[in-house]
Amino acid sequence: AQSVAQPEDQVNVAEGNPLTVKCTYSVSGNPYLFWYVQYPNRGLQFLLKYITGDNLVKGSYGFEAEFNKSQTSFHLKKPSALVSDSALYFCAVRDMVATSGTYKYIFGTGTRLKVLA
Amino acid sequence: DAGVIQSPRHEVTEMGQEVTLRCKPISGHDYLFWYRQTMMRGLELLIYFNNNVPIDDSGMPEDRFSAKMPNASFSTLKIQPSEPRDSAVYFCASSSGLAGVSYNEQFFGPGTRLTVL
Repeated sequence: AQSVAQPEDQVNVAEGNPLTVKCTYSVSGNPYLFWYVQYPNRGLQFLLKYITGDNLVKGSYGFEAEFNKSQTSFHLKKPSALVSDSALYFCAVRDMVATSGTYKYIFGTGTRLKVLA
Repeated sequence: DAGVIQSPRHEVTEMGQEVTLRCKPISGHDYLFWYRQTMMRGLELLIYFNNNVPIDDSGMPEDRFSAKMPNASFSTLKIQPSEPRDSAVYFCASSSGLAGVSYNEQFFGPGTRLTVL
């Protein structure tokens, strides 16, 4: 079965410093990977996705993620963190359900990012 | 498009009462997902539909929970009878399985915060 793991419950980083939020995956076949962000009292918002192609994927708000097949990782990065980036971040993988030919998404447990001024 | 619309945004009810949550997906999306989010259990997939047909309801916690999608633009999640442990934020999300710019991305509604007293 497909799965993703976010090993850190919380990441603290100083404003202006680079940030990394980690995600590892376990899939059979080619992975479809996603990052979402959730601000307080809001629904999840799509940030970026990896389907195929370049290993470095650029997304919204200056975020990017690097797909690493050998390490089965898809870490979220940003060169310079902002206080406004403080939020809950979810990694997800698309899971094809063979019996129905449909798909669903498997989400990680989330990582709370706190950017300190 | 107004995005995924959920109503009500907040619901406070007493134990034993019936609760109905509503969702209007983005027009043209063929997938609809219901999730529940709590601090203890994180984000849980309850059920998802493809082309208005329920595909996987294995995440529905008990027979007290039921979901319907009578047409492509409306879905309901019903809890009868409600219990205090059902208190959570319930999210609806939709996505398109058709090739295109937003292929595979899930779009989440703002959520319904349910409190069962």
